[in-house]
Amino acid sequence: GDSVTQMEGPVTLSEEAFLTINCTYTATGYPSLFWYVQYPGEGLQLLLKATKADDKGSNKGFEATYRKETTSFHLEKGSVQVSDSAVYFCALRKEVGQFYFGTGTSLTVIP
Amino acid sequence: ETGVTQTPRHLVMGMTNKKSLKCEQHLGHNAMYWYKQSAKKPLELMFVYSLEERVENNSVPSRFSPECPNSSHLFLHLHTLQPEDSALYLCASSLGPAGGKTYEQYFGPGTRLTVT
Repeated sequence: GDSVTQMEGPVTLSEEAFLTINCTYTATGYPSLFWYVQYPGEGLQLLLKATKADDKGSNKGFEATYRKETTSFHLEKGSVQVSDSAVYFCALRKEVGQFYFGTGTSLTVIP
Repeated sequence: ETGVTQTPRHLVMGMTNKKSLKCEQHLGHNAMYWYKQSAKKPLELMFVYSLEERVENNSVPSRFSPECPNSSHLFLHLHTLQPEDSALYLCASSLGPAGGKTYEQYFGPGTRLTVT
């Protein structure tokens, strides 16, 4: 069945470090791919998305490229800040409409 | 109010109580969703409504009963819950019918439910 697999956390980084959170997916067809972020005490917010192969989504310094050949959508940021501490979720959506979410990766950035 | 709102933000209820969670979206969307978020588990989709019709019910126990009176409002009625139902309940909405793959979901802040 369709699914999303994320790297397990928690991830702890120092401020200004490079961030990669791995995400791979299993799906037939051509899903859209998303990264959501959840700050403490809040719901999920869309961070970025890509709707077809080779698309790059970007927002707030975060980037992810839709790689169909490796079925991946890894999230990257060149220099993290303390304010980036949150839980990050990778997700996919197919034409039928249901969303599939990964288990989430907790990121803590220390000054 | 903008976006997706949920009330209450926190709820403590006994196993014999009946309560309801409310979700309202101000985005003009026509699909709405209930999710359950438990610690260390993937987000669980509970119910999907598109154009006020339920299109998906992922084998949720009958002690959870959804209601979607119009495209802006979604309720989750709770009765005789179990302690393992304690979780964060998230509401989301999206543009377009449930079949639009490019449309992202917008989430509310969630209701933190504790069943004692």
